[in-house]
Amino acid sequence: NAGVMQNPRHLVRRRGQEARLRCSPMKGHSHVYWYRQLPEEGLKFMVYLQKENIIDESGMPKERFSAEFPKEGPSILRIQQVVRGDSAAYFCASSLRTSGNTDTQYFGPGTRLTVL
Amino acid sequence: GQSLEQPSEVTAVEGAIVQINCTYQTSGFYGLSWYQQHDGGAPTFLSYNALDGLEETGRFSSFLSRSDSYGYLLLQELQMKDSASYFCASNQGGKLIFGQGTELSVKP
Repeated sequence: NAGVMQNPRHLVRRRGQEARLRCSPMKGHSHVYWYRQLPEEGLKFMVYLQKENIIDESGMPKERFSAEFPKEGPSILRIQQVVRGDSAAYFCASSLRTSGNTDTQYFGPGTRLTVL
Repeated sequence: GQSLEQPSEVTAVEGAIVQINCTYQTSGFYGLSWYQQHDGGAPTFLSYNALDGLEETGRFSSFLSRSDSYGYLLLQELQMKDSASYFCASNQGGKLIFGQGTELSVKP
C-alpha cells in the first residue's frame, strides 16, 4: 500500500510566479491536511480538506493561497505570486477518517519550495 | 492562544533512556500525538494518547496527564538511528497543532 505521495519534491520559482503542489493521499484515505514547515521550526497547520470540501482553512493566509481536493485526482495547494517568505517545506498528510478526532495522520515526503 | 512547549534539544548516549516532555495550552484538545522527523523528511507517527496513562509501543512509550496538561515521550535502549527531531502535537478537530520540536542527539 503506497504511502502519501507528493510532487514535485523540489520546486524553484521566481518571485511573482505561481507554485502548484500536489498530494495523493494513501489509498482509501479521504481526508487531506496541508502543513508548512520553516527551517528549525515545527509544522504549522494550513488547511484540512475532504473530497470536494474545505473543512478547516484557519491556517491559510488570506491572500494568494488556495487549496482543493477534487473528486478525482490529487489535492492541490496553489500559491500565486510567490514571495521569498513562501520558501519552506510543505507537507501533506492524510487520514482514513476523523471519527472522534483520533485518526492518525500519515505524512508525505514534502515539497521544498524555494523562491528566488 | 494555543501552544505546546518542549525542550529544544536533548543529548543522550547509546543504550540510555531519555524522556522528552511536552506541556500544552490548547482549546478543543482531543489527545496528544508524537512524531519523529529525520533531517527534514516526512514526519513519522510514533504514538498517540487520548486518555490519561501510558501507551507502550516497543522501545517507545508515551504518557498523558490531562489534569496537568502534560505528556512525555520515553525512548528506551537508545540507538544512533534515534537521533532526530521529535514533535508533540495536539489533535484538535482533525488538525494537528505542533510543538517546536526537540532535537535528540544520541552519542556513542
